[in-house]
Amino acid sequence: EVVLTQSPGTLSLSPGERATLSCRASQSVDSKYLTWYQQKPGQAPRLLIYGASSRATGIPDRFSGSESGTDFTLTISRLEPEDFAVYYCQQYGSPPTWTFGQGTKVEIK
Amino acid sequence: EVQLVESGGGLVQPGGSLRLSCAASKFSVSNYEMTWVRQAPGKGLEWVSYISSSGNTKYYSDSVKGRFTISSDYAKNSVFLQMNSLRVEDTAVYYCGRFGGSTIDWSLAIDYWGQGTLVTVSS
Repeated sequence: EVVLTQSPGTLSLSPGERATLSCRASQSVDSKYLTWYQQKPGQAPRLLIYGASSRATGIPDRFSGSESGTDFTLTISRLEPEDFAVYYCQQYGSPPTWTFGQGTKVEIK
Repeated sequence: EVQLVESGGGLVQPGGSLRLSCAASKFSVSNYEMTWVRQAPGKGLEWVSYISSSGNTKYYSDSVKGRFTISSDYAKNSVFLQMNSLRVEDTAVYYCGRFGGSTIDWSLAIDYWGQGTLVTVSS
């Protein structure tokens, strides 16, 4: 079973800075099934990126996703105040199962 | 707008049962794959169960297999999670989610989530 390891655990940045979040898979993952979500306190997660690099409807273009082998990256080009949240990567794999990373918290420095 | 509303959570003793409901609006569950995801207090997200649009295919995480049952009711446009033999470690907010299907290239991503319902298992 694939394990997703997100790093860092916490990212302390200021508004306007660039955020780079990593999600490493323990084995090969079909990038079609790699997803990123954002979750704010007390709220349900929100879909950001699907298929490793496609933005969901309504997601600003400061959010982007990329991949390199088993390494997946979520980049927020310039942090806005509303971007401070926890971010999760998730993958679908075989046997049919959906696995989440442990999350990266982006906090205000 | 698409909406998912969960209900049925509450406090239950270890070994007890609960049935969660997820009422969908502005789309038909008969056309979409659906799922349940949970989040223990202060913890990350954990996938629980999946049901196909036809209702014929169901998957469960190892942690709930044999204890939880997912189902759907097209007349009620709802999805359910029957939870039996509950354990303290099942305490979590349970979210209902919709897989976006063709709208997101069949990527098996959850494009809509409910607000969640809290299940607390404690004596």
